Amino acid sequence: AQKVTQAQTEISVVEKEDVTLDCVYETRDTTYYLFWYKQPPSGELVFLIRRNSFDEQNEISGRYSWNFQKSTSSFNFTITASQVVDSAVYFCALSEDSGGSNYKLTFGKGTLLTVNP
Amino acid sequence: EAGVVQSPRYKIIEKKQPVAFWCNPISGHNTLYWYRQNLGQGPELLIRYENEEAVDDSQLPKDRFSAERLKGVDSTLKIQPAELGDSAVYLCASSLAWGQLNEKLFFGSGTQLSVL
Repeated sequence: AQKVTQAQTEISVVEKEDVTLDCVYETRDTTYYLFWYKQPPSGELVFLIRRNSFDEQNEISGRYSWNFQKSTSSFNFTITASQVVDSAVYFCALSEDSGGSNYKLTFGKGTLLTVNP
Repeated sequence: EAGVVQSPRYKIIEKKQPVAFWCNPISGHNTLYWYRQNLGQGPELLIRYENEEAVDDSQLPKDRFSAERLKGVDSTLKIQPAELGDSAVYLCASSLAWGQLNEKLFFGSGTQLSVL
């Protein structure tokens, strides 16, 4: 079973539409972190947000918002009033303790978002 | 401030040839990572360094892949010999913290490798 599932492979919207990217994770740990990264066409992944497992407060940053629900093991990402510059691949990732002094960061397969003018 | 720098940006080689990728992390970042990203997939960790020590290389195919981080700054990842299945984007990342669960990673633009 995948640790991080992003069921939406591709999403296409028209500018100014709202769009939600889904992320479902799986872990047995009680302490873990969840992340969202954006990968524009230039290639580098850019950090957007991290959330620890004890903080279920939703977060809003400008047009971006995140909904973390432990009950459903989901960490969804919503872009309000989407813009063409939001076009990118978005990755959800889970960081958990893999034993010893190591931790493991597992990425989902990503969701390609295309915002059309 | 310069970000993570990788070179080359693209590399095309024939199978069985050697290839090397170079990475210069953000100044002051102790931890350096090499990831491989196959088409349509998320990045997968190959190796993680804390300064010059490889602390997690469990996913590195050691029969053909090698890496080094001399002096704990820049790093080189090598494949010898390359196989068709090695075609992917190789991403380097760095982070400030040491082995933290909540580490924020800074990525380079990657090297896109095509093995023919």
